[in-house]
Amino acid sequence: GNSVTQMEGPVTLSEEAFLTINCTYTATGYPSLFWYVQYPGEGLQLLLKATKADDKGSNKGFEATYRKETTSFHLEKGSVQVSDSAVYFCALSPDRAGANNLFFGTGTRLTVIP
Amino acid sequence: NAGVTQTPKFRILKIGQSMTLQCTQDMNHNYMYWYRQDPGMGLKLIYYSVGAGITDKGEVPNGYNVSRSTTEDFPLRLELAAPSQTSVYFCASSYSSGEVLYEQYFGPGTRLTVT
Repeated sequence: GNSVTQMEGPVTLSEEAFLTINCTYTATGYPSLFWYVQYPGEGLQLLLKATKADDKGSNKGFEATYRKETTSFHLEKGSVQVSDSAVYFCALSPDRAGANNLFFGTGTRLTVIP
Repeated sequence: NAGVTQTPKFRILKIGQSMTLQCTQDMNHNYMYWYRQDPGMGLKLIYYSVGAGITDKGEVPNGYNVSRSTTEDFPLRLELAAPSQTSVYFCASSYSSGEVLYEQYFGPGTRLTVT
């Protein structure tokens, strides 16, 4: 089946600290992988994505590399800011063409303190 | 563009009541989706639609109904509300064409409590 396992939160970091949020997946076929971010009171927004093995998605200083050998898609940022405080969701789509289903992890709440 | 809009933002229902959650998108997307997010859990797909007049079940469809009479609107109906339907509901939309994958855009959510 298809599933995503995500690092338990919450995570609290000081400003400028290094961030890693772990994500591993189980999927049939060749999934696409995503990180979504949810700011307080808002809907989810796509942060970055990767559609095949060894692709690196990046946006706003965040990066994640699609690792087929370890079935992982860990999110990293070198220096977090207070404005990065949000809930982060790892997700996969089992169908490369497939906007028709996303499987989400449970989300990781990040709080960055000044 | 307003993107994906949802109404209401909050609602409290009594057991057995019914209601419709509204979702509208103005991006001319062909795909639309309903998800629910339970506390401490990821989002789970309830129903989705690949175009006007076409709907299909997702992972957790029991207790819900949908319709898609226009490209813009995708309402979610709860006929007999139960406490297990207490959740945050998200509507999303995307454009998909053949092998091309486009991102899903999410609304701000509706927080529903059934007591």
